[in-house]
Amino acid sequence: DIQMTQSPSSLSASVGDRVTITCQASQDISKFLSWYQQRPGRVPKLLIYDASNLETGVPSRFSGSGSGTHFTLTISSLQPEDVATYYCHHYDHLPPAFGQGTKLVIK
Amino acid sequence: HVQLEQSGAEVKKPGSSVKVSCKTSGETFNTYNIAWVRQAPGQGLEWMGRISPVHEISNFAQSFGGRLTLTADTHTSTIFLELNSLRSEDTAMYFCATEGKGRFLQFLHDWGQGTLVTVSS
Repeated sequence: DIQMTQSPSSLSASVGDRVTITCQASQDISKFLSWYQQRPGRVPKLLIYDASNLETGVPSRFSGSGSGTHFTLTISSLQPEDVATYYCHHYDHLPPAFGQGTKLVIK
Repeated sequence: HVQLEQSGAEVKKPGSSVKVSCKTSGETFNTYNIAWVRQAPGQGLEWMGRISPVHEISNFAQSFGGRLTLTADTHTSTIFLELNSLRSEDTAMYFCATEGKGRFLQFLHDWGQGTLVTVSS
């Protein structure tokens, strides 16, 4: 099974900062990687699919890149409402798997 | 978009079973697969399995060792998750979610509100 490793596990940044979260797959997963945002006490929300496609309605400050085994989620200018835990998720083949999550807080 | 409405919270004894429902609406039922994801308190997301209602095919994470059953009722557009031989470690929020279309396996697009299952003696 493919293992997904996110870094960092937690992150503190200031409003307006550029934030980058990385996700490493233990095998090549091509472009089949999505990112989710889970605000405290809320349901996960799809942000990015196929590594770099922005889901409809998601603010353009969010972007994704990468292919193969190395992927990144970038927030170009951090906003207070971005406080959340972020998860990557591969769906290249069964079984799909999530990263362990990155908790983002405002400094 | 698909709307997913899950059944209410459950409290179960160790060794018993739980059945959680996920009623869908908004798009033709047989045009998407449904996955189940759970989240233990304070922990991350864990993929459990998925079902293709039109093909009546399910796939499961090996970690559930045959304890997990997924079924679909096409008349009511409802998916059911049944987990038996419950343990305290099964205490979690259980989410259903639609998979995107166009490929055998996809990202998770629309999510239910979650069902809290508590396993306690």
